[in-house]
Amino acid sequence: AQSVTQLGSHVSVSEGALVLLRCNYSSSVPPYLFWYVQYPNQGLQLLLKYTTGATLVKGINGFEAEFKKSETSFHLTKPSAHMSDAAEYFCAVSEPAGNKLTFGGGTRVLVKP
Amino acid sequence: EPEVTQTPSHQVTQMGQEVILRCVPISNHLYFYWYRQILGQKVEFLVSFYNNEISEKSEIFDDQFSVERPDGSNFTLKIRSTKLEDSAMYFCASRININQPQHFGDGTRLSIL
Repeated sequence: AQSVTQLGSHVSVSEGALVLLRCNYSSSVPPYLFWYVQYPNQGLQLLLKYTTGATLVKGINGFEAEFKKSETSFHLTKPSAHMSDAAEYFCAVSEPAGNKLTFGGGTRVLVKP
Repeated sequence: EPEVTQTPSHQVTQMGQEVILRCVPISNHLYFYWYRQILGQKVEFLVSFYNNEISEKSEIFDDQFSVERPDGSNFTLKIRSTKLEDSAMYFCASRININQPQHFGDGTRLSIL
């Protein structure tokens, strides 16, 4: 069975500062990995995904994530936070070409001016 | 950009009643999903649907639940004899094939009184 752990249910960053959201997974096979963002009263929007190939993945809105197999991690970063980045972020995993997503608990990001 | 549409956005129902949550997936998508998120908990997989049948379901998806694609455009989740613990946000998702990411709707907040 797969599982996902997101360290920190809440993260507070200053505008312009680095955003770092941590995600660790457990999987018996090399997984597909995803980051989704949820803005208030909206659904889950895909930020980026890793399936195969390059381990550094770039997504929308300036976010990127790096797949590190040895650390079973897929941390999400953005060099400079913007007020519009305030949202909840979910890391998710699936089996390769698998069916369902298994989600982490989410990390709510607060951006301070 | 095409979207997954869910209606209603909020449903309030008396305990014991039946409720139907509706979703219109993206038109050329072939794989359909329901997830739920109880307040303060993780997003959980309920069921997947492909080629007019359930392809996978979780332990949560018992005889109380059913899904249907009645007319080639809608995808519904029916919950019979609702219980207080069915109160949650229910998300519909779809994707075009097994190698592409899932696209989510904005969710239906179900409140059981």
